Amino acid sequence: ETGVTQSPTHLIKTRGQQVTLRCSSQSGHNTVSWYQQALGQGPQFIFQYYREEENGRGNFPPRFSGLQFPNYSSELNVNALELDDSALYLCASSQGAGEMTYEQYFGPGTRLTVT
Amino acid sequence: GENVEQHPSTLSVQEGDSAVIKCTYSDSASNYFPWYKQELGKGPQLIIDIRSNVGEKKDQRIAVTLNKTAKHFSLHITETQPEDSAVYFCAAPSGSQGNLIFGKGTKLSVKP
Repeated sequence: ETGVTQSPTHLIKTRGQQVTLRCSSQSGHNTVSWYQQALGQGPQFIFQYYREEENGRGNFPPRFSGLQFPNYSSELNVNALELDDSALYLCASSQGAGEMTYEQYFGPGTRLTVT
Repeated sequence: GENVEQHPSTLSVQEGDSAVIKCTYSDSASNYFPWYKQELGKGPQLIIDIRSNVGEKKDQRIAVTLNKTAKHFSLHITETQPEDSAVYFCAAPSGSQGNLIFGKGTKLSVKP
């Protein structure tokens, strides 16, 4: 069974630039959730994708957007990067939607630094 | 919406001792409570979870207890080992969207 993978591992961007982060879900899982984890904090929910559609969104501005592909992999895009976007971005995969998707398995994360 | 509070923020124990981390939640409709272990430079790892139809669940040295009336749940680690040193997060579901609300974490240090 293949676990959740994310790429790249680390990324350094300049304020105002755009970034794309990628995630491959665990084998057998069709739902992907994205979280932002600031240093010393717990993960915060950005949004979730199920069957290629956004299935819930946290308190993040529209410059955070995403996609899910037919193979259930996903991308997180952030436009107009700000210094406060520096964080660990985590992808979690699960099965189903709604209450079925609470059992979530995380990838190793992408460390984004905005300078 | 759901709010999760976690205590303590740091915990230091001697190898072989037990460690207990507690979380409270606000939404009485919440029915799933996972615990994650996050080592330095890694993503959170699901180590144990409990659903609201049971009061306790064990897996070797770790256990989770749930008190629905008081709306709190706890992680118990017995016979701690240095490799248990990590940051532990509790979480609870937020409504029906399927996302989790996390506590702020507990940094556990196990001294040999």
